[in-house]
Amino acid sequence: DAKTTQPNSMESNEEEPVHLPCNHSTISGTDYIHWYRQLPSQGPEYVIHGLTSNVNNRMASLAIAEDRKSSTLILHRATLRDAAVYYCILRRGSSGNTPLVFGKGTRLSVIA
Amino acid sequence: EPEVTQTPSHQVTQMGQEVILRCVPISNHLYFYWYRQILGQKVEFLVSFYNNEISEKSEIFDDQFSVERPDGSNFTLKIRSTKLEDSAMYFCASINPTGGSRPYFGPGTRLTVL
Repeated sequence: DAKTTQPNSMESNEEEPVHLPCNHSTISGTDYIHWYRQLPSQGPEYVIHGLTSNVNNRMASLAIAEDRKSSTLILHRATLRDAAVYYCILRRGSSGNTPLVFGKGTRLSVIA
Repeated sequence: EPEVTQTPSHQVTQMGQEVILRCVPISNHLYFYWYRQILGQKVEFLVSFYNNEISEKSEIFDDQFSVERPDGSNFTLKIRSTKLEDSAMYFCASINPTGGSRPYFGPGTRLTVL
């Protein structure tokens, strides 16, 4: 599996934008970039995913570098409820069976 | 939005007992997964299941574990003889494997082995 590298932790002020980086220099052409988050005592929650183009949804935006070797999850306005561990995961899109492999992720703290 | 459900939310058992954790995947999904998360550690892949057979499993998934889809809607994880170190959150996930799709996770079952 292609690996990702994320900072262990980040901190943000409430109502400020947050940019969570992820490096994936060994990404292959069919790997999708998935972001999940895990709030305390809950299961992994889907945030966003993409292949090449930037993506937006109601939760976040995903900015993918042109060479696809890095990406950034953008929370436009952090709230206290966004405090969670955020996982950047590569998943081969051509294989329906490929499980997500979780790393340690980035623990985001949001300060009121 | 469709949901994966899991029961029970919390299971307490004595060491050596058998437990069955239950999941109801999303109805049109074809691939199913079990993960576990020991307290304070990362989410670990256990097993994937497709077409009524295991398609991939991790080294954690030893002979004490088994999975089954008994009735076309439920997906179960059985631990034959629980050990203290089996205490963890267990998450079920499912996916409809079209290109670019993503797995949906259930809320988890907390297993406590005494």
